[in-house]
Amino acid sequence: DAKTTQPPSMDCAEGRAANLPCNHSTISGNEYVYWYRQIHSQGPQYIIHGLKNNETNEMASLIITEDRKSSTLILPHATLRDTAVYYCIVSPRGGATNKLIFGTGTLLAVQP
Amino acid sequence: EADIYQTPRYLVIGTGKKITLECSQTMGHDKMYWYQQDPGMELHLIHYSYGVNSTEKGDLSSESTVSRIRTEHFPLTLESARPSHTSQYLCASSPYRVATNEKLFFGSGTQLSVL
Repeated sequence: DAKTTQPPSMDCAEGRAANLPCNHSTISGNEYVYWYRQIHSQGPQYIIHGLKNNETNEMASLIITEDRKSSTLILPHATLRDTAVYYCIVSPRGGATNKLIFGTGTLLAVQP
Repeated sequence: EADIYQTPRYLVIGTGKKITLECSQTMGHDKMYWYQQDPGMELHLIHYSYGVNSTEKGDLSSESTVSRIRTEHFPLTLESARPSHTSQYLCASSPYRVATNEKLFFGSGTQLSVL
């Protein structure tokens, strides 16, 4: 599986956009980019995923570069409740035996 | 959204005791997982199952064992708990057998402390 590189921590002001980068320079053509987040003491929560096109849902937007070697998760208007560890994961297209491997993620601290 | 339940939420137990951490999901998901996480550290996959009567070891070696006799139930057992087993254990499930994505639903976790 391709590995990802994320900054260990980031700060963001409340109400501003939070842009979380992820490098995945060895990603393969059949691998998706997934984002999860984990609020303190809770289980991780799925946010969004994509293959090569930009994606948007009610939680966030995912921007994937044309060469697919990096991506950015965008929280358009960060709130204090968005303070969490954000995980960027690359993984092949599903399958019965596929599994997700979490790294260390980025701790996003939203400041009032 | 899927419902996935873990019990107990917290468990404090003495060394040498046998324990079972329960995980149940009500959405008929084929795939289920156990992750282990120490405070401030990354999640490590210790077991997974892609259906009834299938179990596989994950990427982190664990002395625990699992079973999958029913689709909805994926318990984790430690035959003899030790202080080194102190950690948070997170259960997850995924709704697809042949999936186009890996949308996992996680439980709230069991925080295990072995004295």
